[in-house]
Amino acid sequence: ETVLTQSPATLSLSPGERATLSCRASQSVSSSLAWYQQKPGQTPRLLIYDTSNRATGIPARFSGSGSGTDFTLTISSLEPEDFAVYYCQQRSNWPPIFTFGPGTKVDIK
Amino acid sequence: QVQLVQSGAEVKKPGASLKVSCKASGYTFTGYYLHWVRQAPGQGLEWMGWINPNSGDTNYAQKFQGRGTMTRDTSITTAYMDLSRLRSDDTALYYCARGNMAHSPLNWFDPWGQGTLVTVSS
Repeated sequence: ETVLTQSPATLSLSPGERATLSCRASQSVSSSLAWYQQKPGQTPRLLIYDTSNRATGIPARFSGSGSGTDFTLTISSLEPEDFAVYYCQQRSNWPPIFTFGPGTKVDIK
Repeated sequence: QVQLVQSGAEVKKPGASLKVSCKASGYTFTGYYLHWVRQAPGQGLEWMGWINPNSGDTNYAQKFQGRGTMTRDTSITTAYMDLSRLRSDDTALYYCARGNMAHSPLNWFDPWGQGTLVTVSS
C-alpha cells in the first residue's frame, strides 16, 4: 500500500502570504494525486486532481505540481477563507485503491 | 444540481451492524462510481471502498474486506454502506462521495455527502 506523508503538519501564515504544502508518496503514483480542502465542520472539497488540474470553481490562486513521489500544493496569496486543513490523496492504477495523507493545517499567524 | 444526502446519525453498541444510506440526485446515478470515506473525531480521512452503481461491482480497502459491504438500489438512486462487528474505533463521520468522471473508476471525489455521524458505545 502506498503511504502518503504531508509536511509540515501545521503551517502558520498571514493573509496575502504564499503557502507551499508538500505531499510525498512511499512509491511512485505517477500523476495520480489530488488535493482536498476541509474547513472546520464542513465536508472535504476537491481542489486539484491529476496533480495539477483545478476542479470546477476553484480559484486560480490554487495550483498543484509534481510527479512520481513528490507533490506540492501552492496557494499563491492566502485569502481568509483558505485557512483550513489540506489533504493529499493518491490512487493506484488497478484496481483503483485510494489513500489519504494525514493532512496539513494552514492556520492564521 | 448534484446532491448526495445521507441518512441520520446512529448510535450502535459494540458488535452490532451499521447501515448508512446515500441518496443521489441531479445526475445519472448509474453513470458515476460512489466512494465511502470515514473520518474519526479530530482525525484524517480514510477511504473505505467504492461501488459501481451500474454493475454493482465493488472494491474495498483491505482494512474493511470481510466487514464492509457496499450495495445500491438503482430504482431509488441510493447507495448503502454496511459495516458489521462494530468496535468503538469505528466511531466516525461516514461520508459518501461521487467520482468526478463518468463511467470510470479512475476518478476523484466530488461532491461529498453531508456525512453521517456514527457513535459506537456500550
